[in-house]
Amino acid sequence: NAGVMQNPRHLVRRRGQEARLRCSPMKGHSHVYWYRQLPEEGLKFMVYLQKENIIDESGMPKERFSAEFPKEGPSILRIQQVVRGDSAAYFCASSPPRGGHEQYFGPGTRLTVT
Amino acid sequence: QQQVKQSPQSLIVQKGGISIINCAYENTAFDYFPWYQQFPGKGPALLIAIRPDVSEKKEGRFTISFNKSAKQFSLHIMDSQPGDSATYFCAARRDSGGSNYKLTFGKGTLLTVNP
Repeated sequence: NAGVMQNPRHLVRRRGQEARLRCSPMKGHSHVYWYRQLPEEGLKFMVYLQKENIIDESGMPKERFSAEFPKEGPSILRIQQVVRGDSAAYFCASSPPRGGHEQYFGPGTRLTVT
Repeated sequence: QQQVKQSPQSLIVQKGGISIINCAYENTAFDYFPWYQQFPGKGPALLIAIRPDVSEKKEGRFTISFNKSAKQFSLHIMDSQPGDSATYFCAARRDSGGSNYKLTFGKGTLLTVNP
C-alpha cells in the first residue's frame, strides 16, 4: 500500500514562472490537506480539499495560489508568478473519508525560486 | 496569532537521558493533540497522540502528558537514542464539529541526542 506521493520532490522556478505541485493521496483516502513549511517554521495549513470540493482555503494567500482535487487524478497546488518568498517545502497529507483520522504526510516538494 | 506555542526551539540530550518538549495552546475547542517526528528531507510522521479525556498516554519510550486546565501538553522521550535525533512538532486539531480537520502546528523542536 503506497503512501502519499508528491512530485516533483524538488522544483526550481525563476521569479514570475508558474509552479505546479502534485499530490496523490493514499489509496482509499478522499481528504487532502496542503501545508507549507518555511525555514525554521512549523507547518502552516493552506487548504483542505475533498474530491471536487474545496472545504477550507483560509490558509491560502489570496492571490496567485490555487488548489484543486479532481474526481480523477492527483491534487494540484498551483502557484502563479512565483516570488522568492514562495520558496518553502510544501507538504500534502491525506486521510480517509469521514474525517477525524490520522493525516498521513507525503515527503514534500521543496520549491526554490531564483 | 500563534495558537500553539512550542519550546524549546532546540534541545541537546545525552544518550539514555530524558528529552522533554512542551507545548501550550490557546483555543479551548482543540480536542486532539498529536506529536509528529520529522527527519531531514522527509515528511512528518505521527508519533503519538492524545485526547483531553486522559492526562497521560504512553507508547514505548514516548509519553504525552496533558494538562487541560493549564492548556499545556508535553512529550517525554525516555532513554533517548541517537536515532531519535529529529525535529518534533506538536499540533492541535478540533475534531468536534466534524467538518474540518486541519492541524495547527507548533514551530518545532530540533532534538539532538549525543552518543
